[in-house]
Amino acid sequence: AQKVTQAQTEISVVEKEDVTLDCVYETRDTTYYLFWYKQPPSGELVFLIRRNSFDEQNEISGRYSWNFQKSTSSFNFTITASQVVDSAVYFCALSDSGSARQLTFGSGTQLTVLP
Amino acid sequence: DGGITQSPKYLFRKEGQNVTLSCEQNLNHDAMYWYRQDPGQGLRLIYYSQIVNDFQKGDIAEGYSVSREKKESFPLTVTSAQKNPTAFYLCASSRTGDGYTDTQYFGPGTRLTVL
Repeated sequence: AQKVTQAQTEISVVEKEDVTLDCVYETRDTTYYLFWYKQPPSGELVFLIRRNSFDEQNEISGRYSWNFQKSTSSFNFTITASQVVDSAVYFCALSDSGSARQLTFGSGTQLTVLP
Repeated sequence: DGGITQSPKYLFRKEGQNVTLSCEQNLNHDAMYWYRQDPGQGLRLIYYSQIVNDFQKGDIAEGYSVSREKKESFPLTVTSAQKNPTAFYLCASSRTGDGYTDTQYFGPGTRLTVL
């Protein structure tokens, strides 16, 4: 069965610090997809990134970067030089054939960036 | 602008009443989804629909019903059979959900409170 674990329930950092959010997943499929979403206080989930299991290349988008390591079943998310506007709940999600291609979400990490 | 709208933003219900949450999208997406989010938890799938006039139960369908008469609309009814309906409800859509994992995009959500 598929599973996503975000062990960090809450993280607090001071503005301009770097922060890494961990995501560990379980799946028996060789083909699967991983996602990160941001949920600001308004509640709407904002899509950040989608990665398929055959693409292990790390990705950088501005201050955001993602490290995908199949060997450790991890898909970690790093924010460089954090800002107060980064404060939100961040969700990691997995989709594989075992879930009929539906998303399985982790429990989320509440990130608070203090000024 | 293309997007997903949900109404109302806040909804209050007395015990024993059925209520219907609206979800509309103008992204021309084939697939639509309903999720439930409880405080401090991830999202759980209630129902999903890959095409008009067809839908499938998710992980927590008991006490809920849906319809998909139009491609743009996927209303969710929370029935009196749902024992603990107070939660945040999120609607999402994607290009397709049949054997292909496409990115799901989310609406702003409806917060339901049972009085």
